[in-house]
Amino acid sequence: GAGVSQSPRYKVAKRGQDVALRCDPISGHVSLFWYQQALGQGPEFLTYFQNEAQLDKSGLPSDRFFAERPEGSVSTLKIQRTQQEDSAVYLCASSSRTGNSGNTIYFGEGSWLTVV
Amino acid sequence: QKEVEQDPGPLSVPEGAIVSLNCTYSNSAFQYFMWYRQYSRKGPELLMYTYSSGNKEDGRFTAQVDKSSKYISLFIRDSQPSDSATYLCAQGAQGGKLIFGQGTELSVKP
Repeated sequence: GAGVSQSPRYKVAKRGQDVALRCDPISGHVSLFWYQQALGQGPEFLTYFQNEAQLDKSGLPSDRFFAERPEGSVSTLKIQRTQQEDSAVYLCASSSRTGNSGNTIYFGEGSWLTVV
Repeated sequence: QKEVEQDPGPLSVPEGAIVSLNCTYSNSAFQYFMWYRQYSRKGPELLMYTYSSGNKEDGRFTAQVDKSSKYISLFIRDSQPSDSATYLCAQGAQGGKLIFGQGTELSVKP
């Protein structure tokens, strides 16, 4: 497809369950970002990849959160032992550029995670 | 204090009104600012992008940055019901990441 694709769109997980969220960025985009958006809040930065290198993971809230992009294209965000506070929309974004390039960042529609 | 502050609203206006949306920021090191529009259950889409101070106009939308007061604004002229959405301001930070405000929910009534 032409845009950033995320799956699953909706996920209900029982507390303690592990989940994996997938992001297919726009083809050829070197930069990939993950954001977490709680209900009624703006997105919060989680982590950033430039190709396969994870250059910034300062926003990951705990060691239960792990992200990878092994071949520099598709990325997976994994959350282990989910907690209720992990309920949020997880947004993936990609860009053809690196650095300050806010005008070239495209977001997917998000993966809606509900932990019960 | 959050780095980017935004009044969450909600804001309700009649069709045709001029809408003013505002944010403040605290870190002057980065001078890239964006406005995103987010419809319900959709991802944010870029509306306006500005660098440093001044105004930028695109159709019915005008983005304004005031560095002296660390204030950014988005004006929507002749608002339409299709403009009903959540509007997010963002500041570009190191490495290309974005720092978002809380978002303002706008409703334009026909």
